[in-house]
Amino acid sequence: KQEVTQIPAALSVPEGENLVLNCSFTDSAIYNLQWFRQDPGKGLTSLLLIQSSQREQTSGRLNASLDKSSGRSTLYIAASQPGDSATYLCAVIDRGSTLGRLYFGRGTQLTVWP
Amino acid sequence: SAVISQKPSRDICQRGTSLTIQCQVDSQVTMMFWYRQQPGQSLTLIATANQGSEATYESGFVIDKFPISRPNLTFSTLTVSNMSPEDSSIYLCSVEGNTEAFFGQGTRLTVV
Repeated sequence: KQEVTQIPAALSVPEGENLVLNCSFTDSAIYNLQWFRQDPGKGLTSLLLIQSSQREQTSGRLNASLDKSSGRSTLYIAASQPGDSATYLCAVIDRGSTLGRLYFGRGTQLTVWP
Repeated sequence: SAVISQKPSRDICQRGTSLTIQCQVDSQVTMMFWYRQQPGQSLTLIATANQGSEATYESGFVIDKFPISRPNLTFSTLTVSNMSPEDSSIYLCSVEGNTEAFFGQGTRLTVV
């Protein structure tokens, strides 16, 4: 069974810092990996999707990389802002699962203070 | 992309009662997924709903507790039955579209 781990569990930083959030997964036979943002008590907002054939994806200040062979992904946030404060979730779809069925990590709770 | 409307957004319910959560998608999809997020935890899949067939439940979840309907390709409901405080969670529906997963805004359920 696929297991997804995220480190650190929580992170508190001053505004302007560059951040790295880590995600690891146990089964490298994945279809894709997706990073989400979740605000308190809310649903999920998709940030970046990396397909298994890709190495990275970028959107604005966000960059996500994927190393399938080592079972790792990182989410890089440049020049962090207080509005980035949220929980960031990493999820994978593995090739043995129904397409669309995600395995989630527990998330990294990020606080960016002014 | 897919836009998912989920309701209610939140509810406070008495123990022993049931709540039905609705999920409406703006396009036809084959599979719909229901997840639970308990306080401080990550998302756990409850079941997969395929139109025209019985939902497939994950280990630890049973149909009597979480009955699901899937009457057409754009709509599904999840009922949380005979609720207890342990059912207090965020419940989310999800669909897959062109390799990417999309989520509704979630239903925040508190059982008192």
